[in-house]
Amino acid sequence: GPKVLQIPSHQIIDMGQMVTLNCDPVSNHLYFYWYKQILGQQMEFLVNFYNGKVMEKSKLFKDQFSVERPDGSYFTLKIQPTALEDSAVYFCASSLAGSGSDYTFGSGTRLLVI
Amino acid sequence: GDSVTQTEGPVTLSEGTSLTVNCSYETKQYPTLFWYVQYPGEGPQLLFKVPKANEKGSNRGFEATYNKEATSFHLQKASVQESDSAVYYCALSVASSGQKLVFGQGTILKVYL
Repeated sequence: GPKVLQIPSHQIIDMGQMVTLNCDPVSNHLYFYWYKQILGQQMEFLVNFYNGKVMEKSKLFKDQFSVERPDGSYFTLKIQPTALEDSAVYFCASSLAGSGSDYTFGSGTRLLVI
Repeated sequence: GDSVTQTEGPVTLSEGTSLTVNCSYETKQYPTLFWYVQYPGEGPQLLFKVPKANEKGSNRGFEATYNKEATSFHLQKASVQESDSAVYYCALSVASSGQKLVFGQGTILKVYL
């Protein structure tokens, strides 16, 4: 079936540096999401994005986080500056419509902040 | 806010036995309910979803009934296989919550031969 591609699959970065996580969503999908999963814990919603705008963000979506999708290219999550507690797996997802639609997830980017 | 609570894992079963993973939800809206499965190193994959109360969803031998009165959506399988070993997530979405999926904490299932 259709896939969400996440690049890179792994990233190690020094604390305080900037990192950009890239997501190539399913081609006809309109809603985009980022989730955070710390090892062994549940999937936590960060933010969703539709029509060029953030629709909702959780309290985990700190001021250091930002998202964008310039000109229909990658949907990106930028963290600047990074902190040790940002170490986690970040999953991108997309859906054609909103509530009730099928959400397709990528395989995640494993981010380690040292 | 909206929330989902699942059976605490890990659940360890021998192949051929039956599985039940409990899921309860809280919301003031009318949710669509989902079961997702996550294998090591991968993102969650949709197992099935049920948008309407009192209907059943199923896939690959797994099934769950959307019980509006009990606010439950328990996952069942009559006979598990070793390949079913994974993490199972119950989740909901409602239109008013910005279209996001709200996940339960996940239940690790381990099936041995």
